[in-house]
Amino acid sequence: AQSVTQLDSHVSVSEGTPVLLRCNYSSSYSPSLFWYVQHPNKGLQLLLKYTSAATLVKGINGFEAEFKKSETSFHLTKPSAHMSDAAEYFCVVSVLNRDDKIIFGKGTRLHILP
Amino acid sequence: GAVVSQHPSWVICKSGTSVKIECRSLDFQATTMFWYRQFPKQSLMLMATSNEGSKATYEQGVEKDKFLINHASLTLSTLTVTSAHPEDSSFYICSASHRTNTEAFFGQGTRLTVV
Repeated sequence: AQSVTQLDSHVSVSEGTPVLLRCNYSSSYSPSLFWYVQHPNKGLQLLLKYTSAATLVKGINGFEAEFKKSETSFHLTKPSAHMSDAAEYFCVVSVLNRDDKIIFGKGTRLHILP
Repeated sequence: GAVVSQHPSWVICKSGTSVKIECRSLDFQATTMFWYRQFPKQSLMLMATSNEGSKATYEQGVEKDKFLINHASLTLSTLTVTSAHPEDSSFYICSASHRTNTEAFFGQGTRLTVV
């Protein structure tokens, strides 16, 4: 079975400071992991994905995430937050090639303080 | 990445009527399509998974007679909300994948409002 846990429902950071959004997963198979961002009343935008290649994944808008198998984590980071980063972020685990499942975390709302 | 087009982007309908939402994969063959529902300020809840040419598999608690899913071709799946009620108002999102992929591609969502 697969599951994903986003450890914080809300994160607030000041503009220009680092961002850390935490995600832990469990999977019976080697998973693919994704981070999506959703701005209010909008669809999902893919930030980055891990699919068993390099464990440090760079995405769009300066975001990156590191896959740590020993910690079953895939935390999302950004060195310097921008006001436009305020949104909902979803960590997603997929085992489509084994189990036809895509599992969403509950989401983390990122607030950027001026 | 591949493109998934969802239509309409928003719809308002009267209580008791039915609404159809389309999900198309524009540049790949989608062997599997997923339908999600998202309530305000909540995560996406998987409603059902459909494989081309076979009946959809519904998640527990989702009424299959109310949310009709058809996946008749490799590029099109439809979700029909039958006899809609105000509590069906929500954001519905589809995603599509091919069996050789580990990634699914998402449509832009449909905002359904039942009045």
